[in-house]
Amino acid sequence: EVQLVESGGVLVQPGRSMKLSCAASGFTFSSFPMAWVRQAPTKGLEWVATISTSGGSTYYRDSVKGRFTISRDNAKSTLYLQMDSLRSEDTATYYCTTGGAWGQGTLVTVSS
Amino acid sequence: DVVLTQTPPTLSATIGQSVSISCRSSQSLLDSDGDTYLNWLLQRPGQSPQLLIYSVSNLESGVPNRFSGSGSETDFTLKISGVEAEDLGVYYCMQATHAPLTFGSGTKLEIK
Repeated sequence: EVQLVESGGVLVQPGRSMKLSCAASGFTFSSFPMAWVRQAPTKGLEWVATISTSGGSTYYRDSVKGRFTISRDNAKSTLYLQMDSLRSEDTATYYCTTGGAWGQGTLVTVSS
Repeated sequence: DVVLTQTPPTLSATIGQSVSISCRSSQSLLDSDGDTYLNWLLQRPGQSPQLLIYSVSNLESGVPNRFSGSGSETDFTLKISGVEAEDLGVYYCMQATHAPLTFGSGTKLEIK
C-alpha cells in the first residue's frame, strides 16, 4: 500500500525556520518526482515545489523562491522541505504528493 | 502557468442524481509523449485529497465506477453517475503536463 506520512508542522513565529519531512513507503520512491502542495485554511490547493527523481532539479513557486528548499533522500525514501524566513501567508496544511498519492498533511502555522 | 477553470463552483445534488463538473485549461494538456496529464481529485471534509481519475479517463484502483472522466486538449469533464452520500466534498482538477502543477479552484458538491 502506498503511504506518504508528513511530519514537522508546528506553530512558529514569523521569520523563523522549520523543516518538514515526508516518509514514503509502498512504492519505489526513487522513481518518482515529488512535490509539496499547500492549502491555506478554507482555500484551494497550491503547488509549492517539485524535485526530480535524482534530486538534481528543483522548482519553486515565485513566492517561496530563496526561502524554501526541497530535497530528498532516496536511500531513506524521504522528502523534505526546509522553510526559512517564514511569513504569515505561509500558514497552511502542507501535503507531499507524487501527483497521484497524497499524504495526510501537516499543519504549519506562522504567527506571533 | 496553466490556468484551470472549473465550473460550477458549487453543486447540490440528491442521492442518485447524475452530475458533471467541467475543467477548462488555458492551453492544451496533450503532452509530447502522447499522454494527457489531467487528473481529478476529491477532498472529503477534513481529509487530504485523493486521486479519482488520472490521465483524463483512467479510474484509480478502488474508486467506484460511477465516476468517469472524459475530454481532450483543453476541455475535460468529470461525471458522477448516481451520486451517493459519501461523494460529498470538493472536487479538483489538476494538470501535470506543463510545469508547474496547477489546480482548478474546486467544485463543492453538497448533498440535498
